[in-house]
Amino acid sequence: GENVEQHPSTLSVQEGDSAVIKCTYSDSASNYFPWYKQELGKGPQLIIDIRSNVGEKKDQRIAVTLNKTAKHFSLHITETQPEDSAVYFCAVSGNTPLVFGKGTRLSVIA
Amino acid sequence: NAGVTQTPKFRVLKTGQSMTLLCAQDMNHEYMYWYRQDPGMGLRLIHYSVGEGTTAKGEVPDGYNVSRLKKQNFLLGLESAAPSQTSVYFCASSYALTGEVRGYTFGSGTRLTVV
Repeated sequence: GENVEQHPSTLSVQEGDSAVIKCTYSDSASNYFPWYKQELGKGPQLIIDIRSNVGEKKDQRIAVTLNKTAKHFSLHITETQPEDSAVYFCAVSGNTPLVFGKGTRLSVIA
Repeated sequence: NAGVTQTPKFRVLKTGQSMTLLCAQDMNHEYMYWYRQDPGMGLRLIHYSVGEGTTAKGEVPDGYNVSRLKKQNFLLGLESAAPSQTSVYFCASSYALTGEVRGYTFGSGTRLTVV
């Protein structure tokens, strides 16, 4: 089955700096790559996603890049703010349910 | 529009007791899922359903049963709870459009402790 590796497990950045989280996957048939943000006591919320026919997607301060050949994708957050502090999960799917990475705890220090 | 609603939000069980977690969605989504979340493990799929009356096993199905008698509801049952089932349980739903899965939406979770 699909295997998703996510790095780093924790990340601390100064407010205003950029943050990058990376994920690799194993199944070349996977074609959907979402990123979720989870705040304390809440369920995961979709923040951005990308499909395999696209290499990059941006939404304001958030961007995702996909390299299908190397089977990895990354989340980029620019101009980080304290409210960006949360746990971020990458996920992967093809024709099967989402498989999640183990998460990255992002702390933005004011 | 409530989205995905899970009940209860918190529960404490004694080892060997049984319980049912309820998930309800009002988005007319075809697919529904149960995940468990443990520290450092991400979210792992327990069971899922691709339509009313259908269920399938996920990555960690042992000790759980599910039922999807109505399209909007997906029930997760623990017949004999064990301390290893202490976790936060999330339900999710999604739909498909032109063969692509879309609109994954998660509930707010049920925190279960088995003592």
